[in-house]
Amino acid sequence: NAGVTQTPKFQVLKTGQSMTLQCAQDMNHEYMSWYRQDPGMGLRLIHYSVGAGITDQGEVPNGYNVSRSTTEDFPLRLLSAAPSQTSVYFCASHRAPGRINSPLHFGNGTRLTVT
Amino acid sequence: AQSVSQHNHHVILSEAASLELGCNYSYGGTVNLFWYVQYPGQHLQLLLKYFSGDPLVKGIKGFEAEFIKSKFSFNLRKPSVQWSDTAEYFCAVNPPWWDSSYKLIFGSGTRLLVRP
Repeated sequence: NAGVTQTPKFQVLKTGQSMTLQCAQDMNHEYMSWYRQDPGMGLRLIHYSVGAGITDQGEVPNGYNVSRSTTEDFPLRLLSAAPSQTSVYFCASHRAPGRINSPLHFGNGTRLTVT
Repeated sequence: AQSVSQHNHHVILSEAASLELGCNYSYGGTVNLFWYVQYPGQHLQLLLKYFSGDPLVKGIKGFEAEFIKSKFSFNLRKPSVQWSDTAEYFCAVNPPWWDSSYKLIFGSGTRLLVRP
């Protein structure tokens, strides 16, 4: 049981490049989300999904797109990378589509640097 | 604005000292409360959670937290810290049921350094 798997672990981009951060979970969780972690700001929610085909914006969605074509996968796309998107990105999943009343399962993170 | 506040950004303690990390939230009504820990280079892991019932919640590794509804607080405590407790600690809140967004709101985190 791998849990939540994120790839890549590290990535360096140039301003204007696009890329996709991958997230997959094998726990049949309905709820998946993407957070970014920045020093002194904690974790901020980018986008989330309560099930396949359903996504919604979090606190800081600008510059990011998501899709949820399957229960297992929830990729995060950076359309045109900017230095302000330098951060550590965490994908998380949760077993139920409703309120978060049990722990989130986090991936190991992707450290992204945009130069 | 709805938020979660962690007042201490950095805490330095010696081993065996007692720990208390503050967490306040601004939501009214019934909320779910969590403390997560992030050890250096690792992802977040759940320490403990409160949903209802006894306001004193015990978690893993000797941590506990007390929910005080009147103060909108959920402070984390440990009677005697160890060097291995060096980590960043995040308080998180799931908004009340009438907030239809399925979000977990995190505080800004507290970095704990325990000196041997």
